[in-house]
Amino acid sequence: AQTVTQSQPEMSVQEAETVTLSCTYDTSESDYYLFWYKQPPSRQMILVIRQEAYKQQNATENRFSVNFQKAAKSFSLKISDSQLGDAAMYFCAYRSAYYNAGNMLTFGGGTRLMVKP
Amino acid sequence: SQTIHQWPATLVQPVGSPLSLECTVEGTSNPNLYWYRQAAGRGLQLLFYSVGIGQISSEVPQNLSASRPQDRQFILSSKKLLLSDSGFYLCAWSRDGTYEQYFGPGTRLTVT
Repeated sequence: AQTVTQSQPEMSVQEAETVTLSCTYDTSESDYYLFWYKQPPSRQMILVIRQEAYKQQNATENRFSVNFQKAAKSFSLKISDSQLGDAAMYFCAYRSAYYNAGNMLTFGGGTRLMVKP
Repeated sequence: SQTIHQWPATLVQPVGSPLSLECTVEGTSNPNLYWYRQAAGRGLQLLFYSVGIGQISSEVPQNLSASRPQDRQFILSSKKLLLSDSGFYLCAWSRDGTYEQYFGPGTRLTVT
């Protein structure tokens, strides 16, 4: 079974600065997808960014980018020019690309990001 | 565009009472549907998923059940709630053949 680990329960960043959230995962599969979700105080989960394991290029969405290291099974999220609205819980998630493995996402335990004005 | 609704938003129920949470998706057909539970300060735990009407897969044996009476409707139920059923329940959907899931606003359930 796959596991996802977020080793930083809490992180803080100064507004306009850059912060990196860590995520590692364990899998024996070669084809999979990785995601970062944001959960603001409203608690609705919002998809931030996704990465296909077969792509070497790191995904980027505006101020959000990832550092995907497949051999190290690492998938970190970098937030540039942090804004107050970025304050939230961030969850890393894994999904197998093999249909027979089911349709589930495996989530990490989350990292609470605080943004200081 | 697609939207996902959940209701109620908040629910307080006594131990031993029944439960019914509803999730509906608009703007798509034949979605994959999911129920997750999130305990306070914790990650998400997948409870059930469905790839079609009447098709339910359970990931965790528990006091809950799920049903999919219509293509875009997913219901989470319990005959008798336990204190341990308290939590935040999230419904999600995905298109078949794609991998990202989109979440509803959630239901906060408190069992007293």
